[in-house]
Amino acid sequence: DAGVIQSPRHEVTEMGQEVTLRCKPISGHDYLFWYRQTMMRGLELLIYFNNNVPIDDSGMPEDRFSAKMPNASFSTLKIQPSEPRDSAVYFCASRAQGSHQPQHFGDGTRLSIL
Amino acid sequence: AQSVTQLDSQVPVFEEAPVELRCNYSSSVSVYLFWYVQYPNQGLQLLLKYLSGSTLVKGINGFEAEFNKSQTSFHLRKPSVHISDTAEYFCAVSVGTGFQKLVFGTGTRLLVSP
Repeated sequence: DAGVIQSPRHEVTEMGQEVTLRCKPISGHDYLFWYRQTMMRGLELLIYFNNNVPIDDSGMPEDRFSAKMPNASFSTLKIQPSEPRDSAVYFCASRAQGSHQPQHFGDGTRLSIL
Repeated sequence: AQSVTQLDSQVPVFEEAPVELRCNYSSSVSVYLFWYVQYPNQGLQLLLKYLSGSTLVKGINGFEAEFNKSQTSFHLRKPSVHISDTAEYFCAVSVGTGFQKLVFGTGTRLLVSP
């Protein structure tokens, strides 16, 4: 079975540019999570969706960040405009219905903002 | 608010030696507890989880963890480690309405040397 698929795996861009990260969750999973991982702050939850609806975006750092889930098989995380402090590894995870179910993570997108 | 503390940022150990990675959580309610492993340039993978019942939980790759409610701990153990166990290990606790979110500890890097 295909796991969570993220693209691109690496992104290098200049500050001020728009960045779009993509995620395809595991088929049949009802929940989708976006995380950011940095050395300083560890693994932070940015936002999560249930059945394509954003439930909790309290972790989104500021208005420059936005996330959408237009359908059950696709989600995007957008940063506009990007800044060097946004450099991090961004992970997408999905899980089935039931809070006891484990989250399945993609391999992440390593983002570098110059 | 629930939180997770991993007391050791790094644990060096020789191959075939036993290891324990410590995790303490704070919560006033029943929780679900998880251990994830992250290999270089990959996402997190579930090692094991505690939901209820037996306090000793067995996971993949020979790992096990013991839930101790009185000490609010969920330490991870392996009786004999391999070089391939070198990775970052994260403890996590479910939080939020319906326990839908996970809060992760800061991680423990396990370094196994020959």
